[in-house]
Amino acid sequence: DTEVTQTPKHLVMGMTNKKSLKCEQHMGHRAMYWYKQKAKKPPELMFVYSYEKLSINESVPSRFSPECPNSSLLNLHLHALQPEDSALYLCASSPRGIGEQYFGPGTRLTVT
Amino acid sequence: AQSVAQPEDQVNVAEGNPLTVKCTYSVSGNPYLFWYVQYPNRGLQFLLKYITGDNLVKGSYGFEAEFNKSQTSFHLKKPSALVSDSALYFCAVSQNTGGFKTIFGAGTRLFVKA
Repeated sequence: DTEVTQTPKHLVMGMTNKKSLKCEQHMGHRAMYWYKQKAKKPPELMFVYSYEKLSINESVPSRFSPECPNSSLLNLHLHALQPEDSALYLCASSPRGIGEQYFGPGTRLTVT
Repeated sequence: AQSVAQPEDQVNVAEGNPLTVKCTYSVSGNPYLFWYVQYPNRGLQFLLKYITGDNLVKGSYGFEAEFNKSQTSFHLKKPSALVSDSALYFCAVSQNTGGFKTIFGAGTRLFVKA
């Protein structure tokens, strides 16, 4: 299995909702990432997990809460989001901290 | 702090002609450089990387890139463009800052005309 999967593909949520994004890889990669991408812009790094421990948090607001339950799974818990949080959320993994990253197709999030 | 610049928002090339997408970088220490491609409504796909070794790196789909330390550049090239190469291309640099952080350039949209 050489792919990163993300669910759901699309998500519409109100500002008071709680939802979660899920990412899964079965390539044995030990680093996993969350990125936020606005239209026609580059991905912006949010979080990095290395060996299931949070190694980088790019000063992301606390309404975004990452979780890495095991080496194959990465979640992003969402609560009390703002309309400006609407974006494509990309998950990626890499064999180690350095090296090419393998991206999932993303979750298109709309906050109403 | 690391940074990546892609000076061209868009590159237009005719099918069959060579293409170049430019990238310059700024890091302290040794750079780890990457090119990714993104098709509409898709995640990014890895094309090639430079970590160490030969300055000319070959990657997927016939793409190659040349690492030039003196000019701090890592331009993406292909000898003969295909219409299907039309996409958004991102140059990226990674550095160990207590965790490996990757910064992407702004992206260059490539249009290949038949």
